[in-house]
Amino acid sequence: AQSVTQLGSHVSVSEGALVLLRCNYSSSVPPYLFWYVQYPNQGLQLLLKYTSAATLVKGINGFEAEFKKSETSFHLTKPSAHMSDAAEYFCAVSDGETSGSRLTFGEGTQLTVNP
Amino acid sequence: DAGVTQSPTHLIKTRGQQVTLRCSPKSGHDTVSWYQQALGQGPQFIFQYYEEEERQRGNFPDRFSGHQFPNYSSELNVNALLLGDSALYLCASSFLSGSSYEQYFGPGTRLTVT
Repeated sequence: AQSVTQLGSHVSVSEGALVLLRCNYSSSVPPYLFWYVQYPNQGLQLLLKYTSAATLVKGINGFEAEFKKSETSFHLTKPSAHMSDAAEYFCAVSDGETSGSRLTFGEGTQLTVNP
Repeated sequence: DAGVTQSPTHLIKTRGQQVTLRCSPKSGHDTVSWYQQALGQGPQFIFQYYEEEERQRGNFPDRFSGHQFPNYSSELNVNALLLGDSALYLCASSFLSGSSYEQYFGPGTRLTVT
């Protein structure tokens, strides 16, 4: 079975500060990992994905994440937060068996950006 | 190119009733997955359809059923609604044989059971 733990249900940063959202996973097979963002009353938008290629993955809107197998982590970072980054962020894992494999999500982290 | 679309946007039902939610996948996609997102929680996988058959299923009771049509669109049916079924229902589409491993999500249907 696969699982995801997101440390910190709420994270608050100042505009311009570093954003760090933590994600740890558990998987019995090599995982495929994803970060999604959800704005209020909307669906999920893919930020970035790790599919066993480069361990440092760059995504949209200046976000990036690093896959660390030894730490079973896939933390999301952004050097400088913008007000528009305020949203809920979800880390997800799949077994990567096929492109449509089921996703297992974490509980989410609500990011607040203060002016 | 239209993305994933879902209808209706919002729905209010009474406990014990039945509901049908609809999803049209992104153009070129052949697989549809359904997720339930309760308030303040991450999405939970319900099931996935491919070639008009249920391919994978999560830990949901048989009250939850689905269908996929030849044009790849899909329906989610929930019978005997409970208050706990109130949630945002998300549809995601993908191309099963593709190499992108990406699932594209629709805006969701907000179901309220009273």
